[in-house]
This record gives sequence, C-alpha cells and structure tokens, in this order.
Amino acid sequence: AQSVTQPDIHITVSEGASLELRCNYSYGATPYLFWYVQSPGQGLQLLLKYFSGDTLVQGIKGFEAEFKRSQSSFNLRKPSVHWSDAAEYFCAVGRRGNEKLTFGTGTRLTIIP
Amino acid sequence: DAGVIQSPRHEVTEMGQEVTLRCKPISGHDYLFWYRQTMMRGLELLIYFNNNVPIDDSGMPEDRFSAKMPNASFSTLKIQPSEPRDSAVYFCASSLGGGAQHFGDGTRLSIL
Repeated sequence: AQSVTQPDIHITVSEGASLELRCNYSYGATPYLFWYVQSPGQGLQLLLKYFSGDTLVQGIKGFEAEFKRSQSSFNLRKPSVHWSDAAEYFCAVGRRGNEKLTFGTGTRLTIIP
Repeated sequence: DAGVIQSPRHEVTEMGQEVTLRCKPISGHDYLFWYRQTMMRGLELLIYFNNNVPIDDSGMPEDRFSAKMPNASFSTLKIQPSEPRDSAVYFCASSLGGGAQHFGDGTRLSIL
C-alpha cells in the first residue's frame, strides 16, 4: 500500500527566507505526486503535481518541487516566503489506474516578520 | 470557471438529526470524492464516484453514512442519525480522468 510521510509537523521561518518542506512516499512504481495548500477555513488548493517527465516541477505562487526517486522524496521549496504563505501544506501520492490519493498528515507553516 | 461548490458552509445540529451535505463538482469532471478532516485523524477519504457510480466506499465509517450521485452535477452525503463524533469538516473534490483533485471549501459540521 502507498503511504506518505511529512516528518515536520510545524515549521517556522522568517519572511523572505527560503523554505523546504519534506515529503517521503512509499510506493513500488512511479507515483503521481501532489502538493496542496490549505488556508484556515478553506479547502485544499493544488500547488503543483508530478506525473512524469522533468523531475523539477514548477507550481503556483512561486513554489517548486523535485521528485527524487532514489530518495523516495518530493520536497516542496520556495526561495523567499511571504507572510501570505502561512498555511497548512499537504503532500499526496497516487498512481496510474487508481484515482485515490493518500495524503500526508500535513506541515503547518508559520511566518514571522 | 466555477470550482467545486459545497453547501452549507456550516451546519450545527443536535445529535440524532439527519444531516445532508451537498456538492456540485466542476463541470466535465468525471470523478467525485468525499473526504472528512479532523484534528485527530487528518484527511480521510470516505467514498468516491466515477461517472456517477460509487467505486469505493470502504472509508465510510458505518451504516449511518450514505452518499449518492444522481447526476453528473450533484452529490449528497447523508448522516442519519448524526452523533457528536461526526463533527468534522467534510470536503468534496472532483477530478477529470483521475488527475489532480480540486477541492471545495468544505462544510464545517458540528453535532451537539
């Protein structure tokens, strides 16, 4: 069965600093990978997705993620965070032929001035 | 284009009452998912449909929960009778061909 681990429950960074959120997955074949962001009181918004091809994926709001098969990782990065990036971030894994996604437990991001 | 639309946004009701949550997926999407989110259990998939047909309901907690999709533009999740432990945020999501899922803003359900 597929699984996703987000090892960091809560991360605090200063505004303008760089950010990396970790995501590790467990799955036998090439997975479909997603990052979602959830602001308080709202649903999950898709930031970016990886299905195949280039392992560096660009998303919305200046985010990017890199698929590293050897490390079973799909870490999310942003070079300079803004106060509006404070939210909960979820990594998810799926596979071809199965539409179900498995979500990680989320990482809460706090931005300090 | 409109996103996934859920109603109501908030629901407060007493234990034992019937609760009906509604969802309108993105037009043209052929998959619809119902999730429940709580602090303790995170985001759980309850059931999903493909072309209005339920495919996997293994996440439905018990017989008190039921979901229907009478047509491509509408789905309901019903809890009868409701219990305090059903209090959670319920999300609906839709996708095209099993691709990225697009979520609604959720229904915050409180059972007193």
